[in-house]
Amino acid sequence: GIQVEQSPPDLILQEGANSTLRCNFSDSVNNLQWFHQNPWGQLINLFYIPSGTKQNGRLSATTVATERYSLLYISSSQTTDSGVYFCAANQAGTALIFGKGTTLSVSS
Amino acid sequence: GAVVSQHPSWVICKSGTSVKIECRSLDFQATTMFWYRQFPKQSLMLMATSNEGSKATYEQGVEKDKFLINHASLTLSTLTVTSAHPEDSSFYICSASPTGSSYEQYFGPGTRLTVT
Repeated sequence: GIQVEQSPPDLILQEGANSTLRCNFSDSVNNLQWFHQNPWGQLINLFYIPSGTKQNGRLSATTVATERYSLLYISSSQTTDSGVYFCAANQAGTALIFGKGTTLSVSS
Repeated sequence: GAVVSQHPSWVICKSGTSVKIECRSLDFQATTMFWYRQFPKQSLMLMATSNEGSKATYEQGVEKDKFLINHASLTLSTLTVTSAHPEDSSFYICSASPTGSSYEQYFGPGTRLTVT
């Protein structure tokens, strides 16, 4: 099955800094999503992005399907951005497979 | 749209008892639902794939006799943890794939199980 790897595992930033999170996947995929898991465990879907680039406010994501990676950019980080970010991917008819996540800590 | 609920949101049970967790798709039909488990500070691990009207498919290492899955309707799947032990304490999250979609998944809010 698909393997999903995320880097870095941990990231510590000062408020206002920018960051890039990376997700590599081992095979071609039909779906790739970025999630933020809130302190209560709820997965908040950030982007559905099997290819191309999308932006939503201070967040943007790019997936280069031919090279099997995706990047999540966070600009002007805020303390509320802290938490765990997951990348997950799947092929048609299969479950999303999650990477191990990146734990982001933003301090004021 | 595309809301998935789980019940209960948290549960505490004694060792040796069984606990049932419900996963419902509220505004869409889901032929396929998935169950994940997440231990503290770890990622989500797929436990099983549940298809309406048929037996669930379990991932390697997941005991099917311990984690009973029933997907009796297009909007409800249940996970029963039988003879629970403290090591079963975890965060259980379900997701549902809308009928006709082959890759979209919508996630429930999770159920936190503590076995004492």
